[in-house]
Amino acid sequence: ILNVEQSPQSLHVQEGDSTNFTCSFPSSNFYALHWYRWETAKSPEALFVMTLNGDEKKKGRISATLNTKEGYSYLYIKGSQPEDSATYLCAFRSGTYKYIFGTGTRLKVLA
Amino acid sequence: GAGVSQTPSNKVTEKGKYVELRCDPISGHTALYWYRQSLGQGPEFLIYFQGTGAADDSGLPNDRFFAVRPEGSVSTLKIQRTERGDSAVYLCASSGTGGYNEQFFGPGTRLTVL
Repeated sequence: ILNVEQSPQSLHVQEGDSTNFTCSFPSSNFYALHWYRWETAKSPEALFVMTLNGDEKKKGRISATLNTKEGYSYLYIKGSQPEDSATYLCAFRSGTYKYIFGTGTRLKVLA
Repeated sequence: GAGVSQTPSNKVTEKGKYVELRCDPISGHTALYWYRQSLGQGPEFLIYFQGTGAADDSGLPNDRFFAVRPEGSVSTLKIQRTERGDSAVYLCASSGTGGYNEQFFGPGTRLTVL
């Protein structure tokens, strides 16, 4: 059974704080690691596809890193804003089509 | 362009009833996925279509669940004899094939079984 874990489950930060969370996944049979942002009442939105060990991706104030050898990825948010409040999901792919999702990290940014 | 749409957005039904949930993928996307998200959990894989055929239905929890995609576009997830434990958000996603194609998600159908 492939297990994908995310931590923390939830966190509250103040506006302007930087934060990060973790996705742990199996270190074997790696194909890709995806990050999604899911706001309440909306569709999950793709943030990053990470494919190579050592990958670093950045989109505005959000960035992500990947370590496939040890099986983890970090998502960083710099200078959190209230609109960053959402659930952040990671999904592990061991093949071309199957995605195994973590339980998500629920972020609340307080103004 | 239009994204993935799902109908209905909310469905309340009684235990034992039959329900159908519909997904309209992005035009041209051959891959289509159904997921179920229960409270406090991540999306759980149910079934994957490549074109008209179910390439992997290993995530369907039991034979009360069935999904079709007869023309390789719209898909319907069918649940017979619903149980309270079926209450969840049902998500649909579509993607192109090959490489690291992203999944694009619909907004989900929230199913409540009373």
